[in-house]
Amino acid sequence: GNSVTQMEGPVTLSEEAFLTINCTYTATGYPSLFWYVQYPGEGLQLLLKATKADDKGSNKGFEATYRKETTSFHLEKGSVQVSDSAVYFCALSRRDTGNQFYFGTGTSLTVIP
Amino acid sequence: DADVTQTPRNRITKTGKRIMLECSQTKGHDRMYWYRQDPGLGLRLIYYSFDVKDINKGEISDGYSVSRQAQAKFSLSLESAIPNQTALYFCATSDFGVGGQETQYFGPGTRLLVL
Repeated sequence: GNSVTQMEGPVTLSEEAFLTINCTYTATGYPSLFWYVQYPGEGLQLLLKATKADDKGSNKGFEATYRKETTSFHLEKGSVQVSDSAVYFCALSRRDTGNQFYFGTGTSLTVIP
Repeated sequence: DADVTQTPRNRITKTGKRIMLECSQTKGHDRMYWYRQDPGLGLRLIYYSFDVKDINKGEISDGYSVSRQAQAKFSLSLESAIPNQTALYFCATSDFGVGGQETQYFGPGTRLLVL
């Protein structure tokens, strides 16, 4: 089946620290991979995506590279800010199975000044 | 104005009551979804609709029903609410970008408490 596994949180970092949130997936075929972010009191927003192996998605200083050999899509940011405090969700979808989305359980990030 | 809106934003109800959560979108998307979010479980798909005449069960449809009244409106009903349906509910729409890849867009959520 299809599934996404994220590192458990919560994660607490100091401002300007380096961030990595691990995400691995299980899927047959060729899924597309996504990171969504949920700020307090809001719905999920697309942060970045990658549609094929070796693609790198990037947005707002965040990056993630689609690694088919390790079935991973780890989220990274070189220098986090307090405003990055949110819950981050990794997700996959497969176009060949109707594009149904599968979400990870979410990783809560708190950045302290 | 928000592209995907949900009403109500918060709701408290009692066990056995029937309630409806509503979702409207101005994005012009055919596909709409209902998810619930529970702590430690992420998002789970309840129902989805690829167009007005196409409605499908998701991972956890038991105890829920939906109605797609128009392209822009997709309602979720709890026929007889029970406490373990206490959760945060999200509506989403989606479209297809370059290469045919789907992206989902979420509403702000409805927080439901069943007593």
